[in-house]
Amino acid sequence: NAGVTQTPKFQVLKTGQSMTLQCAQDMNHNSMYWYRQDPGMGLRLIYYSASEGTTDKGEVPNGYNVSRLNKREFSLRLESAAPSQTSVYFCASTRVGQGSQETQYFGPGTRLLVL
Amino acid sequence: GESVGLHLPTLSVQEGDNSIINCAYSNSASDYFIWYKQESGKGPQFIIDIRSNMDKRQGQRVTVLLNKTVKHLSLQIAATQPGDSAVYFCAENMSQGAQKLVFGQGTRLTINP
Repeated sequence: NAGVTQTPKFQVLKTGQSMTLQCAQDMNHNSMYWYRQDPGMGLRLIYYSASEGTTDKGEVPNGYNVSRLNKREFSLRLESAAPSQTSVYFCASTRVGQGSQETQYFGPGTRLLVL
Repeated sequence: GESVGLHLPTLSVQEGDNSIINCAYSNSASDYFIWYKQESGKGPQFIIDIRSNMDKRQGQRVTVLLNKTVKHLSLQIAATQPGDSAVYFCAENMSQGAQKLVFGQGTRLTINP
């Protein structure tokens, strides 16, 4: 099992450009999450998908959109990148959806720099 | 304990000593808590978790204590090793529906040889 994989590992964008961050998990997990981590800070939830076909906003959703493509894949899109979106982005997944007390497993992260 | 801010709290201990990392959580209704370890350039790695109906849980060299009265969580690492050097985050689940974790700022633990 590869666990949670993310592509790309690193990306540089110019202000106003768009891009999609990809995430896939091979653990047959139901729920998937996108976080951002700014320097010296903890992770903040952007969007999550409790189960295939559903998505919901987290703490910091502005400027982002997501797509739960299938059970394995959950993508994060920046339509018009801004310097404030420079961060490290982590994808995570858990086995259970509603009311879960399950561990979230994290991918290695995508480092995004917006100039 | 952890708090909002730009400067990461730090803790330095000698190799072989025990370390205690503290975390103050915010929501008295949170029902699930996790400690994660994050090494430089990597994603968070699960260490140990605890449910709100417990006050202590032990793993291999790690113990988590939960004090719901004062909303305090701690991670104890016994006999620290150089590989324990990392940033440690506590996280609480604040949602009664789908899991939604809120992370603390993190504490940087340095193990001195």
